Formats: sequence, structure tokens, C-alpha cells
Amino acid sequence: AQSVTQPDIHITVSEGASLELRCNYSYGATPYLFWYVQSPGQGLQLLLKYFSGDTLVQGIKGFEAEFKRSQSSFNLRKPSVHWSDAAEYFCAVGAGNNRKLIWGLGTSLAVNP
Amino acid sequence: DAGITQSPRHKVTETGTPVTLRCHQTENHRYMYWYRQDPGHGLRLIHYSYGVKDTDKGEVSDGYSVSRSKTEDFLLTLESATSSQTSVYFCAIREVQGSNSPLHFGNGTRLTVT
Repeated sequence: AQSVTQPDIHITVSEGASLELRCNYSYGATPYLFWYVQSPGQGLQLLLKYFSGDTLVQGIKGFEAEFKRSQSSFNLRKPSVHWSDAAEYFCAVGAGNNRKLIWGLGTSLAVNP
Repeated sequence: DAGITQSPRHKVTETGTPVTLRCHQTENHRYMYWYRQDPGHGLRLIHYSYGVKDTDKGEVSDGYSVSRSKTEDFLLTLESATSSQTSVYFCAIREVQGSNSPLHFGNGTRLTVT
């Protein structure tokens, strides 16, 4: 069955530190992959997406993600975290019936000053 | 940001009453979706629409109905609200059909059923 796993429920980092949020998926074909961010009281905002081509994709707010087919992963990274990055991050896979994205349960990021 | 407005933003209602949530878009996108978001469950699809008067069920559609009489409006109705429907509800739109097309979300409606 198709699924998306975000192994880390909560992560705390210090401001200025690097960040990596993990996302693993289960899907038989080439997936379409997305990362979204949700600030408190807000809707989800698209950070970046991968469809094909270069496996390292750049997104907004200084984020990037790398698709690794061999590991079925699409991890999100940022070299230096800012306090404003504290939010909930969701990974999603577009697969099969393309009207219904498959969502991970999210990773909550806290940033210490 | 995509032009998506959800109303109301907050609502408290009593068990057994009907409730209608509205999603309005200014993007003229064909596809619209209703999700609910709950701790430990992430985002779950309730219903979606692929055009005026064309709707279909998602994974958690029981107790909910939808209507889309105009491209810009997608209504979600709880026929008889229950406490299990206390949640945050998000509307999303999508420009084209295709799994490479991202969703754009509204800011949500927080519904409390007492």
C-alpha cells in the first residue's frame, strides 16, 4: 500500500543550526513529492516539489530537498534555521489516483534562541 | 498566495445541529477539496470536486455532504454535528488534474461541537 512516513514527530534545533527532516515513502512507481509547511493557525503552504530531473530541488524560505530513489526518501534540509521556521512540516506523495495526495503525519519543529 | 477564503474561521455548535462551512476561491481552479486535520491523524480527505456539480467521496466522508453549484464555491455540510467532528477543516484547490500539481490551502475553519 502507498504510504508516507515522517519518523520524527518533534524536533528541536537551535537557531543557526542545520536542519534535516526525514520523509520516507512507499510507492511502486516514480512518485511526485511535496513538502508543505504549516504555521500555527494557518493553512499549509507549499515549500517545494519534485517531479523529475535533478534530484536536489530548491524551494522557498531557503529550504531544499533531495530525492533518493534507492532509499525511498525525500528529506528536507536547511543549512541555517531561523526562529521563524518553527512550524509543522508535512511531506506528501502524489501517486496513483492523482486527486488524492498521501500525507505524512507531520514533524513539529521548535527552534531555540 | 492563492485566493482562498474559508468561512467562518471559528465556530462552536451543539451536537445534532447542521453546520455548513464555505470555501470560496478567486483562482477559477477546477478542483477543490475538503480536508480535516486532527492530532495523530494528519490530513484526511473528506470530499472533493472536479467541477461544478461533480463531487466524490474521500476517505472520511461519513456524516458530511458537499455541494458545488459555482466554480468558486465549495460547501461542506455536517448534517447533524457530532463531537467526533470537532476538528480543523481545510479547503484546498488545485489548478490541473495530475499528481504533479500541488494543492493550495485556505487558512482553515476551527469547528467545535459541544
